[in-house]
Amino acid sequence: DAKTTQPTSMDCAEGRAANLPCNHSTISGNEYVYWYRQIHSQGPQYIIHGLKNNETNEMASLIITEDRKSSTLILPHATLRDTAVYYCIVRGGSRLTFGEGTQLTVNP
Amino acid sequence: DAGVIQSPRHEVTEMGQEVTLRCKPISGHNSLFWYRQTMMRGLELLIYFNNNVPIDDSGMPEDRFSAKMPNASFSTLKIQPSEPRDSAVYFCASSLGTGRGTDTQYFGPGTRLTVL
Repeated sequence: DAKTTQPTSMDCAEGRAANLPCNHSTISGNEYVYWYRQIHSQGPQYIIHGLKNNETNEMASLIITEDRKSSTLILPHATLRDTAVYYCIVRGGSRLTFGEGTQLTVNP
Repeated sequence: DAGVIQSPRHEVTEMGQEVTLRCKPISGHNSLFWYRQTMMRGLELLIYFNNNVPIDDSGMPEDRFSAKMPNASFSTLKIQPSEPRDSAVYFCASSLGTGRGTDTQYFGPGTRLTVL
């Protein structure tokens, strides 16, 4: 599975959009981009995934660049409960390989 | 839906004791995964099963660790004998089991293990 690069930490004001970037320049054609988050001491929570088209669900939007070498997770109206570590994962098979993720802190 | 169920949620034991962690996957899911999370190593996959058969156990740290899945609704991860360095949070996850990149894994709440 391709390696991903994410910023170590980010801050966001409550009510504003949080845009979390992820680089995956070695992604191959059949690999999906997955996002999970982990709120302190809880199990990782699935957020969204995509292949090449932009995706949206009730939690977030996923924007994937046309060359698929990077993506952005967007939380449209961040709340204090969105404070968590966000993991961007590229996978083609059954395995999920977690990196260090981005610690997002939403401030009041 | 009940989600993935793990027990116990917390376990404190002494070095040398046997520890058994339990997991009930989401009904209808055919794949089950065991992960371990530590500060030093992050989240790492230990083993996963498909249709109750172990597919990849390359992440199991050593022979002290063993995992079984006797049926589709139950799995155990056993550590015997336990050591202080086994202290970690152990997560179980399950998925439909298609094996493709769209097969989303759903995680349980974890078991926090402390070995004294």
